[in-house]
Amino acid sequence: DIQMTQSPSSLSASVGDRVTITCRASQRISSYLNWYQQKPGRAPKLLIYAASSLQSGVPSRFSGSGSGTEFTLTISNLQREDFATYYCQQSYSAPQTFGPGTKVDIK
Amino acid sequence: QVQLVQSGAEVRKPGASLKVSCKASGYTFTSYYMHWVRQAPGQGLEWVGIINPSSGSTYYAQKFQGRVTMTRDTSTSTVYMELSSLRSEDTAVYYCARGKEDIFLVATPRSTIAYWGQGTLVTVSS
Repeated sequence: DIQMTQSPSSLSASVGDRVTITCRASQRISSYLNWYQQKPGRAPKLLIYAASSLQSGVPSRFSGSGSGTEFTLTISNLQREDFATYYCQQSYSAPQTFGPGTKVDIK
Repeated sequence: QVQLVQSGAEVRKPGASLKVSCKASGYTFTSYYMHWVRQAPGQGLEWVGIINPSSGSTYYAQKFQGRVTMTRDTSTSTVYMELSSLRSEDTAVYYCARGKEDIFLVATPRSTIAYWGQGTLVTVSS
């Protein structure tokens, strides 16, 4: 199975900050990398697919980049509603696997 | 709009089995893969498997092979996930989630999980 890691595991930030989360895959996955946001008690929400494509309806302050084994999610101008946990996930091969998550909370 | 409505919370004893349903609406049921993902309390996300609602073909994570069965009913646009030989470690919220791409445009394992149901809490306890 492909192992996914994320860093940091948590971070504190302020409204208006720029936040970057890194995700690494244990083997090359081309651009089959997706990012999800999850708030407590809610189902995850797709933000970015295929490493850098913005899902419909997602604000443009979210962006993704990378290919191969290293990927980043950037949130520019962090808003209050962005405080949540973020997961990366590979859809290159089965079983699809998720990273452990990065919790973004208010400083 | 895409809607996935799951069945309600369940409580089971160890060794029992359960079946969770997921009723889809707002799109052509047979055109998109359906995934199942689970999340133990306070933990991350774990992919269980996927079903092609058109053909009924399935792919399960090896961890669940032999214990999980995914089926579908095209007449009611509903997918089911049955999990047997339950143990306490199976306590989790189980989500059904629809793929983003048309099934004819993506290989099964590469379907992007795009739309999620509300989740079904399954508690396994003696």
